[in-house]
Amino acid sequence: GAVVSQHPSWVICKSGTSVKIECRSLDFQATTMFWYRQFPKQSLMLMATSNEGSKATYEQGVEKDKFLINHASLTLSTLTVTSAHPEDSSFYICSARLTSAAFSASTDTQYFGPGTRLTVL
Amino acid sequence: AQSVTQLGSHVSVSEGALVLLRCNYSSSVPPYLFWYVQYPNQGLQLLLKYTSAATLVKGINGFEAEFKKSETSFHLTKPSAHMSDAAEYFCAVSDQAGTALIFGKGTTLSVSS
Repeated sequence: GAVVSQHPSWVICKSGTSVKIECRSLDFQATTMFWYRQFPKQSLMLMATSNEGSKATYEQGVEKDKFLINHASLTLSTLTVTSAHPEDSSFYICSARLTSAAFSASTDTQYFGPGTRLTVL
Repeated sequence: AQSVTQLGSHVSVSEGALVLLRCNYSSSVPPYLFWYVQYPNQGLQLLLKYTSAATLVKGINGFEAEFKKSETSFHLTKPSAHMSDAAEYFCAVSDQAGTALIFGKGTTLSVSS
């Protein structure tokens, strides 16, 4: 239980194009999802908190017009990198907050997706 | 503000040896503490978490961690390393259950035969 998927797992795009990354909680509903980015050999940095049905909350220094987040349902959040540039190349990881006690998995814990590697040429 | 410091960016052990990965935290409120493991090009898998219950927390794959408030530490241990334990390990803290995590810089564990 408590499985989170991301699609695509990797994407290569040209500079100036937009890329959409999906994060899905497969077997539970998540009112809150988080988006992180990870540069090579570095830790995860929180980009934004996504709440179902409301606007995302962005961390300081993250451009909300560049990284568009939509959390339209209880199982899906999307991150769109608009007008991507090579410096946006990174590993993007989402997590979903499990609040239900329906699973043996730990509640009130974040479960992470497998990540999406974005390369902008 | 909360923060996490992982001492040692790289730890090497022999198969069968004790694994000790160090984590110290800073928090103005009782913290929620987590250890996650990341294999190459994959997401993070929860190993264990501390949420103010027992100070010794047992996790998956034989790992455990002890919360020591006086030392502001949450070190991760495993009595006997296995080759499959080689991975990146992250310690993380949050101030409330289910809120965004602050991660340490990670520790790469290498296991040699």
